[in-house]
Amino acid sequence: DAKTTQPPSMDCAEGRAANLPCNHSTISGNEYVYWYRQIHSQGPQYIIHGLKNNETNEMASLIITEDRKSSTLILPHATLRDTAVYYCIVSIQGGSEKLVFGKGTKLTVNP
Amino acid sequence: EAQVTQNPRYLITVTGKKLTVTCSQNMNHEYMSWYRQDPGLGLRQIYYSMNVEVTDKGDVPEGYKVSRKEKRNFPLILESPSPNQTSLYFCASRARGTLGAFFGQGTRLTVV
Repeated sequence: DAKTTQPPSMDCAEGRAANLPCNHSTISGNEYVYWYRQIHSQGPQYIIHGLKNNETNEMASLIITEDRKSSTLILPHATLRDTAVYYCIVSIQGGSEKLVFGKGTKLTVNP
Repeated sequence: EAQVTQNPRYLITVTGKKLTVTCSQNMNHEYMSWYRQDPGLGLRQIYYSMNVEVTDKGDVPEGYKVSRKEKRNFPLILESPSPNQTSLYFCASRARGTLGAFFGQGTRLTVV
């Protein structure tokens, strides 16, 4: 079973920030938080990952709470092309190659 | 361009007719894996490989075989396909020590 809990759906206006929450209250000390997204039926796309510090790349920012029990993926200026299912996953680095995808959050960006 | 390439993208076949879905990556990644995606069940891992000649079962390996004779290729073999293997299949690869996987564009398989 997935170790994360995400809202099933969210809406966001185009040009506004999209903030996608994820709860991972049972995360262990050596587990990273990864985010992927899947646009329609395309292959999932890696977005960002983090351990305990906040992270930012060209796609998004990841904010992890101090107790590491939850995180938020931020798309600073959402576009229509960001409409997708977003998956939050926890996994150890260097473990067996297995990403456990939950149901994710369906983000709809509206014009 | 870094990519994972699956072929074919679409396939309709009949029950019992052996088929192979190919997967190739050009990033020299050690890890490769296969997933299937079904409505309501999400993405589930079928098999994975941590290096050449090293493969292991994922969560739903029944009815599938894989091989890893070369680092870049990881074919998925259905010896005797059945209708319950109708699904959307994804191949993925990543480098050892990295955290982001690259996924192929998917193969939509229908078994009638």
